[in-house]
Amino acid sequence: SYELTQPPSVSVSPGQTASITCSGDKLGDEYVCWYQQKPGQSPVLVIYLDNKRPSGIPERFSGSNSGNTATLTINETQALDEAEYYCQAWDSSTYVVFGGGTKLTVL
Amino acid sequence: QVTLRESGPALVKPTQTLTLTCTFSGFSLTTSGMSVNWIRQPPGKALEWLAFIDWDDDRYYSTSLKSRLTISKDTSKNQVVLTMTNMEPVDTATYYCARMRIVEAGPSHFDHWGQGTLVTVSS
Repeated sequence: SYELTQPPSVSVSPGQTASITCSGDKLGDEYVCWYQQKPGQSPVLVIYLDNKRPSGIPERFSGSNSGNTATLTINETQALDEAEYYCQAWDSSTYVVFGGGTKLTVL
Repeated sequence: QVTLRESGPALVKPTQTLTLTCTFSGFSLTTSGMSVNWIRQPPGKALEWLAFIDWDDDRYYSTSLKSRLTISKDTSKNQVVLTMTNMEPVDTATYYCARMRIVEAGPSHFDHWGQGTLVTVSS
């Protein structure tokens, strides 16, 4: 079955750039999206189709996907960006796949 | 405005069958490119996808849970129902329904989620 691997945690200082990776075999051949989930809340889509932002998502959120790795980048990170982030892709045999999640800490 | 809402029992006993209903508005499951999925999240753990049903009545299931899951839809009521048999304590989780958009390249992303419903499996 297809698997997506994320680092369990990433730390960043306020105002700095946070990068969260998502790895999978030939992931660059698939579209990847990213969700933000804060405690007690439902996930929110922040990036889809590798690098598209839904309306209402700040421009400081961006995405890329190439080779075996997709990356979510948050520029000028703010305290309100502290959350769990999940990558997700569709695989033809496993169907929907989520990464294990990355806890972003802003300190 | 797209909304989804999950409903079902908060508590089920081991070996029982869980039935959850997702009632949605703001879109139709008869429209090309639309699908509704079920996803769950055990307390403190990651998201786990369960099942998919789309406008064309395609259905997909998690390979690890396929034998226990059935997804169906009632387009006249704007509802999608998930049944999961033989519930165990490890199935305790928040269960979400979410709309997934299907783009030219295939199923893509969940753009709207329900608030989730916590299901506890305990005797």
